[in-house]
Amino acid sequence: DAGVIQSPRHEVTEMGQEVTLRCKPISGHNSLFWYRQTMMRGLELLIYFNNNVPIDDSGMPEDRFSAKMPNASFSTLKIQPSEPRDSAVYFCASSLGGSPLFGQGTRLTVV
Amino acid sequence: KQEVTQIPAALSVPEGENLVLNCSFTDSAIYNLQWFRQDPGKGLTSLLLIQSSQREQTSGRLNASLDKSSGRSTLYIAASQPGDSATYLCAVLNTDKLIFGTGTRLQVFP
Repeated sequence: DAGVIQSPRHEVTEMGQEVTLRCKPISGHNSLFWYRQTMMRGLELLIYFNNNVPIDDSGMPEDRFSAKMPNASFSTLKIQPSEPRDSAVYFCASSLGGSPLFGQGTRLTVV
Repeated sequence: KQEVTQIPAALSVPEGENLVLNCSFTDSAIYNLQWFRQDPGKGLTSLLLIQSSQREQTSGRLNASLDKSSGRSTLYIAASQPGDSATYLCAVLNTDKLIFGTGTRLQVFP
């Protein structure tokens, strides 16, 4: 397996634009996690899914953020509208009951 | 709510020193604790995973211990090398969620 695959690896966008980050979990994993990493706050859990259903979205910062998992092999994290303070590295991870395995992350810069 | 703290936040040492990185957590009801390494601009590399029933794990020059009752873990790095320079993160698994510490940024100079 190629591991957790995230795209794009880098994204630069202007403030106010919509941004969509994508994640393909490891085949067979039933939990998927979105994390955000910043210098100030470290790694924060935004939301996680189990069997494609959102279980805990308490970490989602505000209504501008939304995440979906339409099927077991794909998830998106959308920010609309984006703001400079959303600049961070966003990690996706997946697991099958144990510790998650992480993708390489998407570095988002909002200017 | 689980909170994970790491001390020190940053560490700079000469090559060859033995190091101890500390991690503490507030809720002892964990399934496991994991230590990760992160190089600048890169993803996370898992170093060691300690199950809640275990006391320690070793891999090469790395040794991690876990004292669940006191909410503490330490990562011991023997004979440090410049290639060990990175950020080290501990994380605890609560039910399905992996909660990360604040990280220790390590620099080992020749």
